[in-house]
Amino acid sequence: DVKVTQSSRYLVKRTGEKVFLECVQDMDHENMFWYRQDPGLGLRLIYFSYDVKMKEKGDIPEGYSVSREKKERFSLILESASTNQTSMYLCASSSSGYGYTFGSGTRLTVV
Amino acid sequence: KNEVEQSPQNLTAQEGEFITINCSYSVGISALHWLQQHPGGGIVSLFMLSSGKKKHGRLIATINIQEKHSSLHITASHPRDSAVYICAVLTGNQFYFGTGTSLTVIP
Repeated sequence: DVKVTQSSRYLVKRTGEKVFLECVQDMDHENMFWYRQDPGLGLRLIYFSYDVKMKEKGDIPEGYSVSREKKERFSLILESASTNQTSMYLCASSSSGYGYTFGSGTRLTVV
Repeated sequence: KNEVEQSPQNLTAQEGEFITINCSYSVGISALHWLQQHPGGGIVSLFMLSSGKKKHGRLIATINIQEKHSSLHITASHPRDSAVYICAVLTGNQFYFGTGTSLTVIP
């Protein structure tokens, strides 16, 4: 089974903290994605990456950055967490648009 | 403007009822996915469709490419089907998501 593993299930951080959300996949997928999911807004793409060291902005990149130093790992960074970044964060990976697999999500609360 | 529209947003059904969730999209797609998310849980892919119809157990998914419409049907619904169902369309290498349909099946 393809696995996408997110490092934390629940996370509570303070406003202004730097936050790292880690995502690891074990199927050698080229593509990796970070989404946030909010009630009434559905899933929105923050950043995605087609290859190591490559990154592309999604629909809502403001306040976030990403890092992909290795093919299997895609990190989402909140440079200075704010309360409006309280959300469920979902990582996904795919191979050429198929075999799309989601992680189990990280519920981040910024206080 | 949403590229993917789902209806209904919320649905409550009695156990055993036949359920239909609809998805309309406005972009050209290479595939459409139906996803399921249980409360507090991750997301799993139920179906990937590019044409016609697929069936898996009590779940049936259909797509009409000309009309840009897909439906997810659940026959003989059960409380364990309670979840959020999300329609996602793939265009190029990017997905567009519906906002989801929250289904509650009452025993």
